[in-house]
Amino acid sequence: QKEVEQNSGPLSVPEGAIASLNCTYSDRGSQSFFWYRQYSGKSPELIMFIYSNGDKEDGRFTAQLNKASQYVSLLIRDSQPSDSATYLCAVAVSNDYKLSFGAGTTVTVRA
Amino acid sequence: DTAVSQTPKYLVTQMGNDKSIKCEQNLGHDTMYWYKQDSKKFLKIMFSYNNKELIINETVPNRFSPKSPDKAHLNLHINSLELGDSAVYFCASSSVAETQYFGPGTRLLVL
Repeated sequence: QKEVEQNSGPLSVPEGAIASLNCTYSDRGSQSFFWYRQYSGKSPELIMFIYSNGDKEDGRFTAQLNKASQYVSLLIRDSQPSDSATYLCAVAVSNDYKLSFGAGTTVTVRA
Repeated sequence: DTAVSQTPKYLVTQMGNDKSIKCEQNLGHDTMYWYKQDSKKFLKIMFSYNNKELIINETVPNRFSPKSPDKAHLNLHINSLELGDSAVYFCASSSVAETQYFGPGTRLLVL
């Protein structure tokens, strides 16, 4: 079983719509959860992190965490063509320097 | 000012050669990492150093040898390069566990 699983996509959404990305993880000891965005040919860029159950909002991005279900998601509201990228979910056990990444979900926002 | 920098950006070499990649961060972080991203975009940790001490050493062929001369630098030396070593290698750094910032990547192609 992979430690972190994501739907690979591609996920195609129209401009202005909500893009919903899902991530599940296997280690119940996981305490920290991250979403990175990676444009083609570029490096991963941290966009959100969440530690507690519930929702965390930052601009057009909302991260949702449900530790009981071992599930973390990312919502992108009012999707823009510039949001077209691969989104990587990453998980860590508390105070552990090791991040485990999912394979990423490719999002395409069509104008 | 570049936060995490890597050299070279591109590296094309023949099988059997030995090559090095260098990484430097000017963020004052204590921890640095090497990741490998393969053709399927899966990002996997290879090594991590905290204050020049090796703290993560994943299952990586011993042809790969990291070296950290100080906490701002982490180099990766690869001996006897193989075709399967072709990938993008990312350096990252963090000040606390988990929240990692990535360099631009080194695209290695072994012919």
